[in-house]
Amino acid sequence: AAGVIQSPRHLIKEKRETATLKCYPIPRHDTVYWYQQGPGQDPQFLISFYEKMQSDKGSIPDRFSAQQFSDYHSELNMSSLELGDSALYFCASSPDRGHITEAFFGQGTRLTVV
Amino acid sequence: GIQVEQSPPDLILQEGANSTLRCNFSDSVNNLQWFHQNPWGQLINLFYIPSGTKQNGRLSATTVATERYSLLYISSSQTTDSGVYFCAVATQGGSEKLVFGKGTKLTVNP
Repeated sequence: AAGVIQSPRHLIKEKRETATLKCYPIPRHDTVYWYQQGPGQDPQFLISFYEKMQSDKGSIPDRFSAQQFSDYHSELNMSSLELGDSALYFCASSPDRGHITEAFFGQGTRLTVV
Repeated sequence: GIQVEQSPPDLILQEGANSTLRCNFSDSVNNLQWFHQNPWGQLINLFYIPSGTKQNGRLSATTVATERYSLLYISSSQTTDSGVYFCAVATQGGSEKLVFGKGTKLTVNP
């Protein structure tokens, strides 16, 4: 079965640089979520999209922005990177906002800021 | 917001032992999922279980929604079961985002 695809899997950036993470949800899933997981921490919700519109927002820094495109893939843009942004970034998708549904996570992008 | 508490925070077992992990939550939920995060960081879906009982091989889970807790049972543990087990919930009437507990770190020794 198709899974959530994230790219790249690993990314190394210097402070103050910009990074773009991509997420391709499971086909026919219309909701996408982004999470950030610091070392030894639980995943923290950043932002979500339903049918290409932002549906909820969590603890996402102003330096970060995200969007969902017409083909339902999503991108998380991170600017002015800081050392503290080093983390595992997950994208998840679920099939139907109107029902109780199961979320599936991608393999994550491990971002290291040096 | 909803609070999710998992216990124990750490668990060390010998291969072949059984264990029970607990997840308490502070509000009514319409989604509860258990995940296993392996040493490579991958979050693997174990159960989608907002209520009731499910079994999958050596793993089973029970959620008692009225009492706001869920249990994950691991029987005949194997070294490959090592990792962090997360419980995550989504609240009724809220957005569908999952709120995670702090996790239980399981180490299974050979």
